[in-house]
Amino acid sequence: DAGVTQSPTHLIKTRGQQVTLRCSPKSGHDTVSWYQQALGQGPQFIFQYYEEEERQRGNFPDRFSGHQFPNYSSELNVNALLLGDSALYLCASSSLQGSDEQYFGPGTRLTVT
Amino acid sequence: QKEVEQNSGPLSVPEGAIASLNCTYSDRGSQSFFWYRQYSGKSPELIMFIYSNGDKEDGRFTAQLNKASQYVSLLIRDSQPSDSATYLCAVKDTGGFKTIFGAGTRLFVKA
Repeated sequence: DAGVTQSPTHLIKTRGQQVTLRCSPKSGHDTVSWYQQALGQGPQFIFQYYEEEERQRGNFPDRFSGHQFPNYSSELNVNALLLGDSALYLCASSSLQGSDEQYFGPGTRLTVT
Repeated sequence: QKEVEQNSGPLSVPEGAIASLNCTYSDRGSQSFFWYRQYSGKSPELIMFIYSNGDKEDGRFTAQLNKASQYVSLLIRDSQPSDSATYLCAVKDTGGFKTIFGAGTRLFVKA
């Protein structure tokens, strides 16, 4: 049973650039949430996607956008990168028909220089 | 602003002891509570979830929930050096879809 996968593992970008991160949910899951985790902090909710729609958004600027595809995979896009966007970006999947448990992928480490 | 509070630690316990990790939350209507373990440089791993008041046991782990006091705890019995990690408490937001995480408690188990 494949777990949550994310790509790439690591990424280095320059301020002002744009980045796209990808996530495939655990088999049987239809809901994808994205989190940003800064060093020494807990994950912060960015947004959640279900049925290709953004269901809820956390306190993040519009530079952060996302998409969910018919196969439930998802992308996180960040425009006009700032140094403060350097963090571990985590994707978590869950099932609307099941319980509330979320399972995380390995994350993408983004460094903005 | 709904919050989840944890003592950042570090909490240091000897091998074989019981480690007790605590968490409080502000959203009185929350119904779903989770504990994640996160090793350094890795992503969070779900280890326990609890929805009802009382205790829930799974192997060496026991989660305890007291909704009246808005308090969740995790007990790790017979602690092992491999339990050394950051433990994240997470609470599902009432009426929404997001999960709110605490900043985590660092646990060190000394051999």
